Order: sequence, then C-alpha cells, then structure tokens
Amino acid sequence: NAGVTQTPKFRVLKTGQSMTLLCAQDMNHEYMYWYRQDPGMGLRLIHYSVGEGTTAKGEVPDGYNVSRLKKQNFLLGLESAAPSQTSVYFCASRPTQGAFNQPQHFGDGTRLSIL
Amino acid sequence: TQLLEQSPQFLSIQEGENLTVYCNSSSVFSSLQWYRQEPGEGPVLLVTVVTGGEVKKLKRLTFQFGDARKDSSLHITAAQTGDTGLYLCAGSFSGTYKYIFGTGTRLKVLA
Repeated sequence: NAGVTQTPKFRVLKTGQSMTLLCAQDMNHEYMYWYRQDPGMGLRLIHYSVGEGTTAKGEVPDGYNVSRLKKQNFLLGLESAAPSQTSVYFCASRPTQGAFNQPQHFGDGTRLSIL
Repeated sequence: TQLLEQSPQFLSIQEGENLTVYCNSSSVFSSLQWYRQEPGEGPVLLVTVVTGGEVKKLKRLTFQFGDARKDSSLHITAAQTGDTGLYLCAGSFSGTYKYIFGTGTRLKVLA
C-alpha cells in the first residue's frame, strides 16, 4: 500500500526559481493538507482542500499556491522561491467519515532548500 | 491566533524512567490527537481524544484530555529507547476542517 506519496524527496532551488511539489494518495480520501515543518515550530498549515476542485488557506499561505484538479492529487507551487521557504514540506490526507476522529496520513516529506 | 504550546521542548532521560509531556491551549478543542515522528518520516497517529476528562492507554503510554478540553498530557511509563522521537499534539476546532499542531517535544531515551 502506497498511502501518501510525495515527490520529489529533496530539492535545491535558487532564489526566484519556481517549482511544484506533488502529493498523491491512493486511499480515496476527501481531505488533503500541505504543511511546512521548521525547527521549534511544529507543523504549520499552508493550504488545505476538502474535495476535488476546492482549496482553502491555512496559517501560512503567502508565497504558495495549490491546486486539486484530481481527488488523488494535491499540488503545492512556489512561484518565486525565497530563502524563508527553506523547510520540510509534508502532505497529509484524511477520510471524511468519522469527522475529526480520523487520523491524518502523512507522506515522508520533501526537503527543500532555497539558496 | 490559535496556539498549542507543548512542554518540555526537549527531554533526555534514561531507559526505565517515567515522563510526562504536556500540550496546552487557551482555546477549547473539539478533539486532540497525539502523533510521533521519527527522523526522515512523517508523523504517525498514536491516539485521538474527544471527551473532556478522557483517558486512553496504549501499552506504556497514557493519554489524558483535560476536563475543559483545553489541554492534554502524554505519560510514558518505563521509557524504552524505541520511544525516542518527536511527539506532536494536534487540535481541531469546532466548525473547521483543519488542525493546529503543537510546537513538539523531542524525546531521547538513553540506554
């Protein structure tokens, strides 16, 4: 079982470059999330989606865009990368049933460095 | 801004010792989850608590939800080296689809 798969696993960018992080889940989950994790700050929500074609802003959305064209995929885009976006990015998905009792299933992260 | 504060931030103990990690907020949660994260991996759910005063046990781990649903604790009895990791609490609030994560407690258990 693949679960949640994030690509790429590592990436180094120069300031001003753009890139897209891909998250794919094979569990037919409705909800998907993008987080960033920085030392001493836990996980902070960037954007999330409650279904195909819908997205919403989280705590730290500035500098990022997202798209959910297909239910199984949630893309995170950086239009013009900045050093402050150096972080580990995690994608998660969750089923609708059972509301908030259900666990979020996480990918293994994308380590992104902006020089 | 809804914040979840965890304490302590770091904890280093000997194998066999007991420990407690705390998760506190000024807001009321509709539910709270505890996750453990190991290096190079995403967080993995340990438990979900939803009722004020609720206590759940998972082998040597005991989780408690405060009566007012503003705080939670994780107690580990007779810690083992395999308990080493980053422990995260995550709260959900009524009327939202999102979770707020705590700042994390990094635990190291020494043999």
